[in-house]
Amino acid sequence: QITLKESGPTLVKPTQTLTLTCTLSGLSLSTSGVGVAWIRQPPGKALEWLALIYWDDDKRYSPSLRSRLTITKDTSRNQVVLTMTNMDPVDTATYYCARKRLGYASDIWGQGTMVTVSS
Amino acid sequence: EIVLTQSPGTLSLSPGERATLSCRATQSVSSNYLAWYQQKPGQAPRLLIYGASNRATGIPDRFSGSGSGTDFTLTISRLEPEDFAMYYCQQYGSSPPWTFGQGTKVEIK
Repeated sequence: QITLKESGPTLVKPTQTLTLTCTLSGLSLSTSGVGVAWIRQPPGKALEWLALIYWDDDKRYSPSLRSRLTITKDTSRNQVVLTMTNMDPVDTATYYCARKRLGYASDIWGQGTMVTVSS
Repeated sequence: EIVLTQSPGTLSLSPGERATLSCRATQSVSSNYLAWYQQKPGQAPRLLIYGASNRATGIPDRFSGSGSGTDFTLTISRLEPEDFAMYYCQQYGSSPPWTFGQGTKVEIK
């Protein structure tokens, strides 16, 4: 069974850097074609795609957030890490990670982790 | 960036009725890489359809997707009580960002 689980702080202060970890189970980041994407959803609003990293370390970012995002992977730990700098209250959202294979949509999602940005 | 517009914003129907949801893109979606997701309150999205018309694993056949280019449709042939939820389309072709629509809420009439 393949699962993904997000972890990280539930509360960050404005201007701080957010670091989120997605831990994969039953799925290897070294498998050809495998990727992990990050998506967020502010309360009561639509989904927003943020970033993605593939097995070969190819990285893609949302152009509007590119300057604030960094996505990396640790294949030995089977984890993907997303960092977002200069957090603002508008970044308050549930953050999801999801598996995405080449040519396929994001088919397996984590449960999400809620992050609140407040002083 | 491809912008996806979903309509209607809310669809009020009764169980057993047919639901037709629309997703329109501002430019052609590469390889018809268009997906539909269902989301219930407090839950992560669930993939229903990928490649515009392919049902994901375990998805009942009352869900079907169609369309190509810039116009796509999700049809639920006969609504079951568990189908009342939020639905999002997403394009994942060509270059990122792989944008989502703003969603259609299917509610009980």
